[in-house]
Amino acid sequence: DSGVTQTPKHLITATGQRVTLRCSPRSGDLSVYWYQQSLDQGLQFLIQYYNGEERAKGNILERFSAQQFPDLHSELNLSSLELGDSALYFCASSVTGETNEKLFFGSGTQLSVL
Amino acid sequence: SQQGEEDPQALSIQEGENATMNCSYKTSINNLQWYRQNSGRGLVHLILIRSNEREKHSGRLRVTLDTSKKSSSLLITASRAADTASYFCATDVPGGFKTIFGAGTRLFVKA
Repeated sequence: DSGVTQTPKHLITATGQRVTLRCSPRSGDLSVYWYQQSLDQGLQFLIQYYNGEERAKGNILERFSAQQFPDLHSELNLSSLELGDSALYFCASSVTGETNEKLFFGSGTQLSVL
Repeated sequence: SQQGEEDPQALSIQEGENATMNCSYKTSINNLQWYRQNSGRGLVHLILIRSNEREKHSGRLRVTLDTSKKSSSLLITASRAADTASYFCATDVPGGFKTIFGAGTRLFVKA
């Protein structure tokens, strides 16, 4: 158990809908990362937060947004969903978000857009 | 786009054999990490090697880094069926905080 909690584990929705994925980092970790894993794109970095502030941005679509709350949990909002958004979404956390730290991953949210 | 690319994409070996996976990356780095992912589950950190290190060991794992060739290798010795998983290298991006993952190598260890 990594200590990173992601909910829900599975999500099935329809095109055009909006969903929210939730992540609770390991106790003591201030930085949260979101990754998208699909068969054709591999593991894509979406966005990173540190102590409530956005720190780094990857190939995150404009339809997607995220935030980290004062209690350090994070939410990833996906809107106007398309079939291609079907993927496994991972949250990871680390203590300070420096690149010399290892990341602790949650078990992921499997999103299926029908 | 991905910073690191693993090679081979897939590898099948017998239990007890050694498994070697390679990672090449495009730009200079400060750190390179290797992670393992069991099917459909979260990634687990294996080892981190800094740009000023050439080799690192952890149990049956040996990682090398050649910054002149922008490449790293992960060697798993005396493999076990439980080592069956996907293995990813991850690198940082100069001047940033991103940790970028490669496409991964799928390792299958036959008992």
